[in-house]
Amino acid sequence: AQTVTQSQPEMSVQEAETVTLSCTYDTSESDYYLFWYKQPPSRQMILVIRQEAYKQQNATENRFSVNFQKAAKSFSLKISDSQLGDAAMYFCAYSWDSNFGNEKLTFGTGTRLTIIP
Amino acid sequence: NAGVTQTPKFRILKIGQSMTLQCTQDMNHNYMYWYRQDPGMGLKLIYYSVGAGITDKGEVPNGYNVSRSTTEDFPLRLELAAPSQTSVYFCASTIRVGNTEAFFGQGTRLTVV
Repeated sequence: AQTVTQSQPEMSVQEAETVTLSCTYDTSESDYYLFWYKQPPSRQMILVIRQEAYKQQNATENRFSVNFQKAAKSFSLKISDSQLGDAAMYFCAYSWDSNFGNEKLTFGTGTRLTIIP
Repeated sequence: NAGVTQTPKFRILKIGQSMTLQCTQDMNHNYMYWYRQDPGMGLKLIYYSVGAGITDKGEVPNGYNVSRSTTEDFPLRLELAAPSQTSVYFCASTIRVGNTEAFFGQGTRLTVV
């Protein structure tokens, strides 16, 4: 079974500094996809960044970037120049393709990020 | 474009009561999901559907039922509510799984007393 583990329940960072959130996963699939979602206090889930496992290049979206280590099954999120609006719960998620219609989107337990002014 | 709409946003139920959480999406997505999020915890999959007429259990299906008679609607039924079902419930949809963004509703905060 595919599992996603986030070992940091809470993190904090000074405004304008850089922070890295950790995520590991377990899978026997070779083709899969990884995501980071952000959940601010409004509860709305927002996609931050995504990574295809077949791509060696790490994904980047403005101040957000990932460090994808396929052999280690690690997928960390780096937030540069942290802003107050980055304060939220961050979820790592995994999905894969199959021909059997049993694909699911699996989430980790989340990391609550606090930005210190 | 409304996206994923969940109703109600809040509800208080008494133990043993039943209710249906409604979820509708207008993006013609095939895949729909119900998750629950307990305080300070991640999202646990209750049920999911890969298309109209097809549903399957997730991690925590006990105490819930679903149906998918149309592409747009995926209601979640709670029978005989219990305090352990106090949670925030999210409905989500994707056009397919793989490398596609999941769109979420705003959530339903349910309290069972």
